[in-house]
Amino acid sequence: KQEVTQIPAALSVPEGENLVLNCSFTDSAIYNLQWFRQDPGKGLTSLLLIQSSQREQTSGRLNASLDKSSGRSTLYIAASQPGDSATYLCAGSQGGSEKLVFGKGTKLTVNP
Amino acid sequence: NAGVTQTPKFQVLKTGQSMTLQCAQDMNHEYMSWYRQDPGMGLRLIHYSVGAGITDQGEVPNGYNVSRSTTEDFPLRLLSAAPSQTSVYFCASSRNSLDGYTFGSGTRLTVV
Repeated sequence: KQEVTQIPAALSVPEGENLVLNCSFTDSAIYNLQWFRQDPGKGLTSLLLIQSSQREQTSGRLNASLDKSSGRSTLYIAASQPGDSATYLCAGSQGGSEKLVFGKGTKLTVNP
Repeated sequence: NAGVTQTPKFQVLKTGQSMTLQCAQDMNHEYMSWYRQDPGMGLRLIHYSVGAGITDQGEVPNGYNVSRSTTEDFPLRLLSAAPSQTSVYFCASSRNSLDGYTFGSGTRLTVV
């Protein structure tokens, strides 16, 4: 059974800092890896999708990487801003991507 | 283009009542799923569908029914509500096995 772990559960950084959020999974047969952002009381917003054949995706200040052999994905946020404060979730797909298995998230606080 | 629309946004039920949570998408996505999000548990898959007429169980299906009569709609039925079903419910859709998922804004359900 695929299990996804996100460490740390919470992270507080000063504005402007570069930071890395970690996601690990137990089954290397993961298909796609997707990073989401969730603001309090809101839904999930997709940030980056790393498809099965890819190792990395970039969007603006965000960069996500996927290493299936080590069972890890990282989300790099450059020059963090207070508006980046949210909970970040990673999710891996199994069995052709009809099922997503989620980590419990990292709550990020960026202090002005 | 509305994306994934969930109704209602909030609902309070009494134990034993039944209700249907609605989910509709206008992106012609084949894959649709229902998740519940609980504190400390993360998001867990309830039921999913890979196309009209095809549904299957996820991790926590007990107490819920689904059907998929059209590509656009994927309602979730609570047969006899229990306090343990108090949660935030999210519907998601994806075009195919290569694409990521788009989530709705959620339904916050309280069972008293």
